[in-house]
Amino acid sequence: DAEITQSPRHKITETGRQVTLACHQTWNHNNMFWYRQDLGHGLRLIHYSYGVQDTNKGEVSDGYSVSRSNTEDLPLTLESAASSQTSVYFCASSGNIYGEQFFGPGTRLTVL
Amino acid sequence: ILNVEQSPQSLHVQEGDSTNFTCSFPSSNFYALHWYRWETAKSPEALFVMTLNGDEKKKGQISATLNTKEGYSYLYIKGSQPEDSATYLCAFGVGSQGNLIFGKGTKLSVKP
Repeated sequence: DAEITQSPRHKITETGRQVTLACHQTWNHNNMFWYRQDLGHGLRLIHYSYGVQDTNKGEVSDGYSVSRSNTEDLPLTLESAASSQTSVYFCASSGNIYGEQFFGPGTRLTVL
Repeated sequence: ILNVEQSPQSLHVQEGDSTNFTCSFPSSNFYALHWYRWETAKSPEALFVMTLNGDEKKKGQISATLNTKEGYSYLYIKGSQPEDSATYLCAFGVGSQGNLIFGKGTKLSVKP
């Protein structure tokens, strides 16, 4: 069965370190998204991609970057982790730009 | 800044009660309206994707309606069961941006 996975599921890191969160989908979807979930804010879009070599900034992109070198993967990098980036991160993919999004299990990141 | 408002924030009902939630979104530049069900410790799962004014969708005891001209959608649950306890998210597809803006959700608790 097709799926979308995230790794690691939990991570603790220190302020200033570079962190990369992995997202891998086997749906063969062109569209992939990264969200963060914080209390009182719901899901907020960080970055998204509509295909290989395409990346776009979302609502809360500062301090994050993504790259899309193949259809299956959209890794999210925190260049220099800050405590404000402690959050739960969800990756999602969809077959159409406004189609149903399929979410990964989430990564809980703690920045100390 | 585009905003998606959901009400109420939380709702406590007894098993067997019927209930409904509201999602309000900008009435201009509409492309799609999504509803997701998000159980604790899991990932959001799509319930409905609606694109046309007047759309009505149904899945089991859950149904949704859409009014794009006035910018609202209703989600109805008939005869709530404890397993319906979850947070229900709506998301607005913005024509110019090509992504979804999520509301903060309505948290439903159904007591047996």
